[in-house]
Amino acid sequence: AQKITQTQPGMFVQEKEAVTLDCTYDTSDQSYGLFWYKQPSSGEMIFLIYQGSYDEQNATEGRYSLNFQKARKSANLVISASQLGDSAMYFCAMREGRDTGRRALTFGSGTRLQVQP
Amino acid sequence: EAQVTQNPRYLITVTGKKLTVTCSQNMNHEYMSWYRQDPGLGLRQIYYSMNVEVTDKGDVPEGYKVSRKEKRNFPLILESPSPNQTSLYFCASSRHQEGSGRGDGYTFGSGTRLTVV
Repeated sequence: AQKITQTQPGMFVQEKEAVTLDCTYDTSDQSYGLFWYKQPSSGEMIFLIYQGSYDEQNATEGRYSLNFQKARKSANLVISASQLGDSAMYFCAMREGRDTGRRALTFGSGTRLQVQP
Repeated sequence: EAQVTQNPRYLITVTGKKLTVTCSQNMNHEYMSWYRQDPGLGLRQIYYSMNVEVTDKGDVPEGYKVSRKEKRNFPLILESPSPNQTSLYFCASSRHQEGSGRGDGYTFGSGTRLTVV
């Protein structure tokens, strides 16, 4: 079974509008962390936001917020006021608590976001 | 500037010709890891290292070797590259401890795009 599922291969959004990128996860651990990364066309991986499984409040970082619904096992990324520079591939990732030694991030397949002027 | 440096950024090689992709970090991180990125699969962990002389396999270790003789360096070695190792490779590092609990402890290199013909 997929541990991280991103069901939207591609998304379009108009500049200045908000967009939600979906991510669902699967784990039996009580302790885990959820990450979102941005990969522009230049290829580097840019950390955006983090949500710990025990965090009671949704994480926010500037225009990025994470809509964390633990019971539904979803961790959707919300980008407010989209900008042309937001056009990129976005990856959701998870690190499971029992994996603290390996500290591996399990990634989804990504969502390509295109912001239109 | 805190960073993870990978070299080369681009590499085209022939089947069977040994190659090394270098990775160096200047943050005194204990943990380092290699990932490969393939379309539709996200990033998958190849090998990781929890500290000097401590390395272990990730999800897709076949055909790769690593070494960790110094804390700052974690080279990825392909002894006999094959076309199915054509991919985008990322090195990442982080503190061994979570510290503040935020997820931004992972720092990725800029990536190495490898083509094996």
